Amino acid sequence: KNQVEQSPQSLIILEGKNCTLQCNYTVSPFSNLRWYKQDTGRGPVSLTIMTFSENTKSNGRYTATLDADTKQSSLHITASQLSDSASYICVVSAREYGNKLVFGAGTILRVKS
Amino acid sequence: NAGVTQTPKFQVLKTGQSMTLQCAQDMNHEYMSWYRQDPGMGLRLIHYSVGAGITDQGEVPNGYNVSRSTTEDFPLRLLSAAPSQTSVYFCASSRGQGHSPLHFGNGTRLTVT
Repeated sequence: KNQVEQSPQSLIILEGKNCTLQCNYTVSPFSNLRWYKQDTGRGPVSLTIMTFSENTKSNGRYTATLDADTKQSSLHITASQLSDSASYICVVSAREYGNKLVFGAGTILRVKS
Repeated sequence: NAGVTQTPKFQVLKTGQSMTLQCAQDMNHEYMSWYRQDPGMGLRLIHYSVGAGITDQGEVPNGYNVSRSTTEDFPLRLLSAAPSQTSVYFCASSRGQGHSPLHFGNGTRLTVT
């Protein structure tokens, strides 16, 4: 069954610290993996997309990694800011079934001062 | 650009009532979709459309209808509201399914009593 699991479920860190969020998937065949950021009361916004051949991609203080062999991705946030407080959702696209999207449940990150 | 606009932001219904959640996008996207988001679960696809005049069922379509008479609009109808439909509903659009990012509205929080 195509699944996406994220860990941890929630995380609290101090402003200025780094953190890493994990995403494990069983979706096959894999097309791409995208990380979204969802602020409270808003819709998700795309942060970055990883395709099969990419290992690392950065977007400012956000760095995503992908290991297609172990079917794992991570999102690393550097020098966290209060505005990073949000839910981070991992979404994997399956190459078959019309590029069906499989959503993780998200990791809720709270950055406190 | 307004992006994806959803109305209303909040709605309370009694069991058995019907209503329509509105969704409009101004990006000329062919693909539009409706999701529901429940605590601890990933976004689940209700219905989607790959273009005007074409709609199809997603993962959890029961109790919902959609239509796509124009490229811009994709309303979601609840036929006879049930407490199990209490959720946050998101409309999203994209240029295509799979590789293009989804652009989400800010959601409608629906409570059915």
